[in-house]
Amino acid sequence: AQKVTQAQTEISVVEKEDVTLDCVYETRDTTYYLFWYKQPPSGELVFLIRRNSFDEQNEISGRYSWNFQKSTSSFNFTITASQVVDSAVYFCALSESDGNNRLAFGKGNQVVVIP
Amino acid sequence: EAQVTQNPRYLITVTGKKLTVTCSQNMNHEYMSWYRQDPGLGLRQIYYSMNVEVTDKGDVPEGYKVSRKEKRNFPLILESPSPNQTSLYFCASRPLTGSYEKLFFGSGTQLSVL
Repeated sequence: AQKVTQAQTEISVVEKEDVTLDCVYETRDTTYYLFWYKQPPSGELVFLIRRNSFDEQNEISGRYSWNFQKSTSSFNFTITASQVVDSAVYFCALSESDGNNRLAFGKGNQVVVIP
Repeated sequence: EAQVTQNPRYLITVTGKKLTVTCSQNMNHEYMSWYRQDPGLGLRQIYYSMNVEVTDKGDVPEGYKVSRKEKRNFPLILESPSPNQTSLYFCASRPLTGSYEKLFFGSGTQLSVL
């Protein structure tokens, strides 16, 4: 069964520091999809990125970057020069290509950016 | 505007009193799903539906019912709520074209069962 592990529960950083969120996944599928979602204090879930298992290219979007390493089954997320608005819970999620259609979430990382 | 609408946003009820949380999407998505979010546990899938009249259990279906009579609506029914169902609930939808599609989430329903 698919599984996503986000080991760090709460991470506090001082504004302008970088923070990296680890995501390790388990799957038997060769084709799968990885996602990151952000949940700000207002509670909604905001889609950040999607990556398929055949695309190991790292991605950068502004201050956000993602490092996908298939060899270690990891899809880590880095926030560079953190800002108070980055304070949120971040979820990593995995979707397999079979008929299950389930998006399995990790337990989330609570990021607190201290001004 | 493309969206998934859940109602109510907040709900306080008592044990055993049947309730329904509504979910509606305007994107003509085939796939809809319910998740619950609990501290330290992340989001767990309750039920999902791949089309009208097609529903299936997720990881934590006990104590819940769903129905999919129309494509746009996917209500979550708690026939006899209990305090352990106090949680934040999210409805989500996406096209059925593939599991690579991102989920569109509603704003959530915070349920408290006393």
